[in-house]
Amino acid sequence: DAGVTQSPTHLIKTRGQQVTLRCSPKSGHDTVSWYQQALGQGPQFIFQYYEEEERQRGNFPDRFSGHQFPNYSSELNVNALLLGDSALYLCASSPLGVATGEAFFGQGTRLTVV
Amino acid sequence: RKEVEQDPGPFNVPEGATVAFNCTYSNSASQSFFWYRQDCRKEPKLLMSVYSSGNEDGRFTAQLNRASQYISLLIRDSKLSDSATYLCVVNGGPRAAGNKLTFGGGTRVLVKP
Repeated sequence: DAGVTQSPTHLIKTRGQQVTLRCSPKSGHDTVSWYQQALGQGPQFIFQYYEEEERQRGNFPDRFSGHQFPNYSSELNVNALLLGDSALYLCASSPLGVATGEAFFGQGTRLTVV
Repeated sequence: RKEVEQDPGPFNVPEGATVAFNCTYSNSASQSFFWYRQDCRKEPKLLMSVYSSGNEDGRFTAQLNRASQYISLLIRDSKLSDSATYLCVVNGGPRAAGNKLTFGGGTRVLVKP
């Protein structure tokens, strides 16, 4: 049973560019959440997708957008990259309606903006 | 004020010793509470849930104090493999909306021989 997979694992982009990160949830999970983890900080909630719609959103600007596909996989897009967007981006999946708190995380995409 | 606050540490712990640390949360409506463990450059993984009555999982004991809005984790007989960052996590979302986890900044624990 494959867990949560993310791609790519590492990425270097230039300020002003756009980036797309991808996530495939754990089998049987239909809800995908994205988190940003800056160095030395805890993960910060970006948004959550269920049934191809954004259901909840954290305190992130509109430059951060996402999408969920019918197979439950998801993308995170960040436009007009800033140096401060450099972080580990984590995708987590869980089954909706089971608020157990056990979100399964992928290994993350480490984004460096130069 | 951050929603979930933790002492960043590091807590330097001799192997075999006991270590305990807390976190505080600001949202009194928070519904569920957890400790996650994160190894260096790895993803967070659920360590244990935290219940009002307190709960144990082997050498780990978690407690919740809703009145004072803090959560604690105690590790007994520390092993070298317990070295990690421990993330305090609060789930404040309504059950129907699934998990929206709010993380603390993490407490770093270093167990030394």
